[in-house]
Amino acid sequence: DTGVSQDPRHKITKRGQNVTFRCDPISEHNRLYWYRQTLGQGPEFLTYFQNEAQLEKSRLLSDRFSAERPKGSFSTLEIQRTEQGDSAMYLCASSLLSPSDRFFGPGTRLTVL
Amino acid sequence: QKEVEQDPGPLSVPEGAIVSLNCTYSNSAFQYFMWYRQYSRKGPELLMYTYSSGNKEDGRFTAQVDKSSKYISLFIRDSQPSDSATYLCAMSPQSGGSYIPTFGRGTSLIVHP
Repeated sequence: DTGVSQDPRHKITKRGQNVTFRCDPISEHNRLYWYRQTLGQGPEFLTYFQNEAQLEKSRLLSDRFSAERPKGSFSTLEIQRTEQGDSAMYLCASSLLSPSDRFFGPGTRLTVL
Repeated sequence: QKEVEQDPGPLSVPEGAIVSLNCTYSNSAFQYFMWYRQYSRKGPELLMYTYSSGNKEDGRFTAQVDKSSKYISLFIRDSQPSDSATYLCAMSPQSGGSYIPTFGRGTSLIVHP
């Protein structure tokens, strides 16, 4: 499978716990994006990497959220001290040059109890 | 007012109907316009991509962009039950090559046999 993969696909956690999600982009893609999607809404941009550099962050990305892409390949998104409002689908996408080659992964569904 | 407005539906049509899906937007800087299809509990899949104004056709799908009216459309001809999904419009300015799109909330389409 040469698409974008995300792990885990589902995560249930208790409020206050830390969680970490992983995204493996398409191998030759240098751009990587994280989005959050809640029920009935479109994806909301969280952050963007070009290679290992984090170039843009949304105001939605509070201090409890951190993302890394240490070697310009896979990326991790960590949420510290989770809150019930963090329950959502977290989507990763990667692309090479233009919007026309952006592919999304299947997402990680987070439920905070 | 959101930058991108999209009626959430649901839109229910019989098999074989022509479907019209629409979005309006307020940001004149948007240059790239995309339509994604999202099946339940899956990541979005890029369907159509256009730059600036005009029409683009791909099989049963036609995308239209009217920048003067800030209005984009997706038409689906000969709709099939397999087209039942949420359709998300997305658009982005050209900003340093990041092309970070802003999404509409999606329109739920149901095509019944």
